[in-house]
Amino acid sequence: DAGVIQSPRHEVTEMGQEVTLRCKPISGHDYLFWYRQTMMRGLELLIYFNNNVPIDDSGMPEDRFSAKMPNASFSTLKIQPSEPRDSAVYFCASSFRASGDGYTFGSGTRLTVV
Amino acid sequence: AQSVTQLDSQVPVFEEAPVELRCNYSSSVSVYLFWYVQYPNQGLQLLLKYLSGSTLVKGINGFEAEFNKSQTSFHLRKPSVHISDTAEYFCAVSGRGGATNKLIFGTGTLLAVQP
Repeated sequence: DAGVIQSPRHEVTEMGQEVTLRCKPISGHDYLFWYRQTMMRGLELLIYFNNNVPIDDSGMPEDRFSAKMPNASFSTLKIQPSEPRDSAVYFCASSFRASGDGYTFGSGTRLTVV
Repeated sequence: AQSVTQLDSQVPVFEEAPVELRCNYSSSVSVYLFWYVQYPNQGLQLLLKYLSGSTLVKGINGFEAEFNKSQTSFHLRKPSVHISDTAEYFCAVSGRGGATNKLIFGTGTLLAVQP
């Protein structure tokens, strides 16, 4: 299994532009999570899905952020418009039904908004 | 709801010395506990997990952790560290048997191994 695949690995964009981050979870995993990591705030859970349905989006910072999971093998996190304070590493993770399995993380997308 | 406290933000240690990274949790229900490691510019990798049974859990790279229910702790230990163990370590907790599958992470401890 190739693990959780995220793209792109690095993204540099100008303030005000739309940014789309992509994630392919492990086949058979029915939970998908989006995290943001910064020095100031550490790891923050933004949103998670179960069977492609958003379950908890209370961590999404504001309306500029949106996430979708159109099918079991693909999810996107979109920021529109982007701001410099959105600069962070964004991680996607997936897991199988039981919480005891833990998560498998992708390698992350390092976003820089200038 | 659950929460995790990692008491040390950074732990410096010399190579081949033992190390303990501390983790305390809070929960109103039974829990699963995890330790993850993050090497520079990489994602988080599962080190070990406690689900049930023996309170001493062994993981990869020679690490182990002990679940102490009375002290609500899950400290990570290694008897002899290597330079390659330099990384950020995260403790995480989730409620057992709940309807959700949400892991709550601590703020991380940077293990800095010096020659």
